[in-house]
Amino acid sequence: GAVVSQHPSRVICKSGTSVKIECRSLDFQATTMFWYRQFPKQSLMLMATSNEGSKATYEQGVEKDKFLINHASLTLSTLTVTSAHPEDSSFYICSATDRISYEQYFGPGTRLTVT
Amino acid sequence: QKEVEQNSGPLSVPEGAIASLNCTYSDRGSQSFFWYRQYSGKSPELIMSIYSNGDKEDGRFTAQLNKASQYVSLLIRDSQPSDSATYLCAAYRGSTLGRLYFGRGTQLTVWP
Repeated sequence: GAVVSQHPSRVICKSGTSVKIECRSLDFQATTMFWYRQFPKQSLMLMATSNEGSKATYEQGVEKDKFLINHASLTLSTLTVTSAHPEDSSFYICSATDRISYEQYFGPGTRLTVT
Repeated sequence: QKEVEQNSGPLSVPEGAIASLNCTYSDRGSQSFFWYRQYSGKSPELIMSIYSNGDKEDGRFTAQLNKASQYVSLLIRDSQPSDSATYLCAAYRGSTLGRLYFGRGTQLTVWP
């Protein structure tokens, strides 16, 4: 299957700071990438859909000014958590869709801890 | 009604048995269906995709799709303890953005 990388895999930051997470599709071009959040023992929650060259589409209840998404190229999308707070601590996972099969491949995830 | 429904389980089977995971979906326009496996603390991994009615086999895994009944299933033959994970069913409704709709997942435990 296709490979999606995510960096960093784990980050600890202080409350009030910002954290940037990168998501890359390594062997295919992804016009669309998705950002999810998952709390322990809970299901995936879609946060936003990231489209190359245009503004992201956010799900209801997700603050676009807090979770900044940039999809600058067909292989890179970034999520920046601004002014992070302890309640933002979670497992953030990106995914990218193969344009032909519509199979969606997930990155390994980023575990964010805000102290 | 949620787009994709799965029995949350947990489902527990002995090693060597067949594990049967079920999923229903509400949108008749859904075109493609996917099964993901997620180990605790890890991200989901695609294990099967199915696009047309019938069965699709890949090793120990068989996906079954019945569009008339809006039903998708995953059978795992000769279950192994390493199959213990949460299995997510997902449906693609045909949006040009490629968004998938996920069920909440079924937790499977295979005991030796």
